[in-house]
Amino acid sequence: DAGVTQSPTHLIKTRGQHVTLRCSPISGHKSVSWYQQVLGQGPQFIFQYYEKEERGRGNFPDRFSARQFPNYSSELNVNALLLGDSALYLCASSLEGQGETQYFGPGTRLLVL
Amino acid sequence: AQRVTQPEKLLSVFKGAPVELKCNYSYSGSPELFWYVQYSRQRLQLLLRHISRESIKGFTADLNKGETSFHLKKPFAQEEDSAMYYCAGIAGFQKLVFGTGTRLLVSP
Repeated sequence: DAGVTQSPTHLIKTRGQHVTLRCSPISGHKSVSWYQQVLGQGPQFIFQYYEKEERGRGNFPDRFSARQFPNYSSELNVNALLLGDSALYLCASSLEGQGETQYFGPGTRLLVL
Repeated sequence: AQRVTQPEKLLSVFKGAPVELKCNYSYSGSPELFWYVQYSRQRLQLLLRHISRESIKGFTADLNKGETSFHLKKPFAQEEDSAMYYCAGIAGFQKLVFGTGTRLLVSP
């Protein structure tokens, strides 16, 4: 198993554009969580999905949205990009998202110019 | 609100010296607590969690409910321990909350 995979690895966008980030969880994991990590900070929780349902949402604006597909993969969408959205976006998967260990992907580094 | 605090941004020690990375938490209820580590150019990975009471790579962490702390310790640091360490907590279905991280630098 390759572990959690994310695509793309790097992305450069301009202000106002939108972006879609993708994540494939570890086989057998049904929960996916998204985190934003800006330089010098720990990861900040954005969303958690379990069985295609949103289970939790962090303190992020409505420009951020996500979904989970029947194969448990997930997409994170960000609309109307701002310079402050530049960060490393991490995806993590876990069996059921109930406090068990989360396994992280390598992240997608987004730069907004 | 749930909060995890790591007071030190950088901890620099010599090889063979003891290491203690501090973590304090503020949670209502009983959280699960974790230490994650990120080595240079690698993904964030679990080092240990309090419920398993394991010792991984010589590191241990004891949950002190009275002091609401979950400090990470190792008696003899190695150069390969140099990395970014994050303390994190989660309660039930709630979000995993990370501290700001401590960079450990072990010099020869």
